[in-house]
Amino acid sequence: DIQMTQSPSAMSASVGDRVTITCRASQGISNYLAWFQQKPGKVPKRLIYASSSLQSGVPSRFSGSGSGTEFTLTISSLQPEDFATYYCLQHNSYPPTFGQGTKVEIK
Amino acid sequence: EVQLVQSGAEVKKPGATVKISCKVSGYTFTDYYMHWVQQAPGKGLEWMGLVDPEDGETIYAEKFQGRVTITADTSTDTAYMELSSLRSEDTAVYYCATLLYPHFDYWGQGTLVTVSS
Repeated sequence: DIQMTQSPSAMSASVGDRVTITCRASQGISNYLAWFQQKPGKVPKRLIYASSSLQSGVPSRFSGSGSGTEFTLTISSLQPEDFATYYCLQHNSYPPTFGQGTKVEIK
Repeated sequence: EVQLVQSGAEVKKPGATVKISCKVSGYTFTDYYMHWVQQAPGKGLEWMGLVDPEDGETIYAEKFQGRVTITADTSTDTAYMELSSLRSEDTAVYYCATLLYPHFDYWGQGTLVTVSS
């Protein structure tokens, strides 16, 4: 199975900060990488697909990049509603595997 | 409007079996694979498996192989996930989701399964 390692596992940030979350795959996955946001008690919501394509309706402050084994999710200016847990998901090969999550908390 | 509506919360004893349903509406059920994802309390997301409603073909994660059965009933546009030999570690929220389609990302509301003696 492909292992997805996210970093950091948690972080504190302030409104307006630029936030970067990294996901590293144990082997190359091309651009078969998605990013999800999950708020407590809520269903995960996909933000990014194909590494860098913004899901319809998702604010443009979210962006994704990377290919192969290194990927990043960037929030250009953190908003109050962005405090949540973020997960990457690879689907280059079965089984699809999630990163362990990054919890973004208010500083 | 696309909807995935899951069955309600369940409480089961260790060793029992649980079967959760996921009824879809608003799209052609056979057009998209249905995935199931587990989330234990305070933990991350874990992919369990999928079914192709078109032909019933399944793929399961190795972790759940032998204990999970995912099926699809095209007469009722409903997917099912059955998990057997339940143990306390199976206490979790279970989601059905289309998951991997770029322009078709829909999730059920989640079903909490509590395994307790």
